[in-house]
Amino acid sequence: AQKITQTQPGMFVQEKEAVTLDCTYDTSDPSYGLFWYKQPSSGEMIFLIYQGSYDQQNATEGRYSLNFQKARKSANLVISASQLGDSAMYFCAMRVGKINDYKLSFGAGTTVTVRA
Amino acid sequence: DADVTQTPRNRITKTGKRIMLECSQTKGHDRMYWYRQDPGLGLRLIYYSFDVKDINKGEISDGYSVSRQAQAKFSLSLESAIPNQTALYFCATSDEGSNQPQHFGDGTRLSIL
Repeated sequence: AQKITQTQPGMFVQEKEAVTLDCTYDTSDPSYGLFWYKQPSSGEMIFLIYQGSYDQQNATEGRYSLNFQKARKSANLVISASQLGDSAMYFCAMRVGKINDYKLSFGAGTTVTVRA
Repeated sequence: DADVTQTPRNRITKTGKRIMLECSQTKGHDRMYWYRQDPGLGLRLIYYSFDVKDINKGEISDGYSVSRQAQAKFSLSLESAIPNQTALYFCATSDEGSNQPQHFGDGTRLSIL
């Protein structure tokens, strides 16, 4: 069974510092994908970054980067130079299912609070 | 205008009532999904549809039904609402492809008294 684990329910970070959000996953499929989403207090879900299991390099999107350690089955999100607007809940999700039947399985989320 | 629109945004209703949540999208995606979000549990998949003639049960489909009226429309129904269906409900769409993200509506906050 595929499973996503986010062990940090909540974190505080000082403005302008970097923060790492942990995500571990469990799958026996060699082909999989990992997504990170941001949910601000207003409630919408915003896609941040994607990492495929066969990607040779860690994904980066602006201030977001993925620390992908395949052997450890972890895909931690790093947010650099935190801003007040980064305060939100962050979800890690894994693509599961067979080809043409892809679905996402989500972790429980981590709340990040950025302090001025 | 939003690419994925959910109506209503908020709804309070009573146990036993039939409720329909609607989702429409302008992204031209074939794939649509319904999730519910509960505190501490993340998002869980209720139903999904890969085209107009395709409906699939997700992780927690009991007590729910769906209808895919058109490529752009996917509605979720609670036939007889119960209090433990109180949650935040999301509709999402995606393009084909293993690396395609899902795009979410703004959610419907449903309270069942």
